[in-house]
Amino acid sequence: DVKVTQSSRYLVKRTGEKVFLECVQDMDHENMFWYRQDPGLGLRLIYFSYDVKMKEKGDIPEGYSVSREKKERFSLILESASTNQTSMYLCASSLSASGSKQYFGPGTRLTVT
Amino acid sequence: EDQVTQSPEALRLQEGESSSLNCSYTVSGLRGLFWYRQDPGKGPEFLFTLYSAGEEKEKERLKATLTKKESFLHITAPKPEDSATYLCAVQATGGYQKVTFGTGTKLQVIP
Repeated sequence: DVKVTQSSRYLVKRTGEKVFLECVQDMDHENMFWYRQDPGLGLRLIYFSYDVKMKEKGDIPEGYSVSREKKERFSLILESASTNQTSMYLCASSLSASGSKQYFGPGTRLTVT
Repeated sequence: EDQVTQSPEALRLQEGESSSLNCSYTVSGLRGLFWYRQDPGKGPEFLFTLYSAGEEKEKERLKATLTKKESFLHITAPKPEDSATYLCAVQATGGYQKVTFGTGTKLQVIP
């Protein structure tokens, strides 16, 4: 079974801090994604990556950056955390970009105070 | 812009009471429509992919169907363990296309 793991289940940070969320997949998938999930808004795509060192902006990239130095690892960085970035963050991976199901990690519940 | 609307937002069923969840979508060209199940505090778990109108897929008590404008997730004789939020998502054709998710239907099955 594909396994997608995220570094933390719960995280509490202060406004202005730099925050790193790590995601690792073990199935040699080309594509990796970062979403945030908020009540009433569903899952919204922040960034995705279709290859090592490649990244594309999703719908809501402002305030975030990403890094993919190795195929299995995709990091989401909050450069200067703000309270409106309090959310559930979900990482996912897929074998191909086209018509392929995504495998999700368990999520990181981030609270910025 | 791609849009996905799910209804109802929440659904409460008695155990054994069959029903359907709706997913209406607008997309320039459909590459795939996905159904996921999400349990509280967990990431979504893949259920089905449908690619063209008329296609149907089944898994245990769940059956997904697809038309040109909507998809239904039929739940037959549900059990309490079917309680979860069900998410619908679409992916459009043409280059790399992101997946657009709906906000989900929260299903509660009462024993």
